[in-house]
Amino acid sequence: DAGITQSPRHKVTETGTPVTLRCHQTENHRYMYWYRQDPGHGLRLIHYSYGVKDTDKGEVSDGYSVSRSKTEDFLLTLESATSSQTSVYFCAISPAQTYEQYFGPGTRLTVT
Amino acid sequence: GQQLNQSPQSMFIQEGEDVSMNCTSSSIFNTWLWYKQEPGEGPVLLIALYKAGELTSNGRLTAQFGITRKDSFLNISASIPSDVGIYFCAGTITSQGGSEKLVFGKGTKLTVNP
Repeated sequence: DAGITQSPRHKVTETGTPVTLRCHQTENHRYMYWYRQDPGHGLRLIHYSYGVKDTDKGEVSDGYSVSRSKTEDFLLTLESATSSQTSVYFCAISPAQTYEQYFGPGTRLTVT
Repeated sequence: GQQLNQSPQSMFIQEGEDVSMNCTSSSIFNTWLWYKQEPGEGPVLLIALYKAGELTSNGRLTAQFGITRKDSFLNISASIPSDVGIYFCAGTITSQGGSEKLVFGKGTKLTVNP
């Protein structure tokens, strides 16, 4: 299994509060991704990174920001959480744009 | 658009039976990937396909990249209880800007009765 961890694994927060999810990898892969998974929608890309300090938006980026200051860490921030952001969030990594992406265990976020 | 249609949505089978699922699209894909996701975990990559017509096996799993590049199938032979999970197809497509993006199907939920 690829060395990917996500923290926290579960979080409950209130509407309007900021939330940061962390993805940590030990594989030294260049590409890192954040997805959300919701019933009926499958996996949808939020943001991705193609190197330290290099990030770009995915298809559902509104309300989210990311940062990557080190190869091994990719942070996803919800500046002001809303109930529509209740979801399971997955981080993924890949060594190149070959699209063999390897996923972390996920973070279940509930916004009340 | 670039939607992937994955079917069936769910399957209920008896242990020992063979399983077949597929993904289709009206768009041409450059790569096909098949993932399995178990409850509470992230998707795990099963098979990656890179060329039209390619047929690849991984144990009891076999997947093919359709010759038209618009479809792919996954077969599981002699199913066992631990095959239970949701199987996702994913494919890479070249966007109008020239970059590639990965598109996921919505999954096939497999239940295996012992």
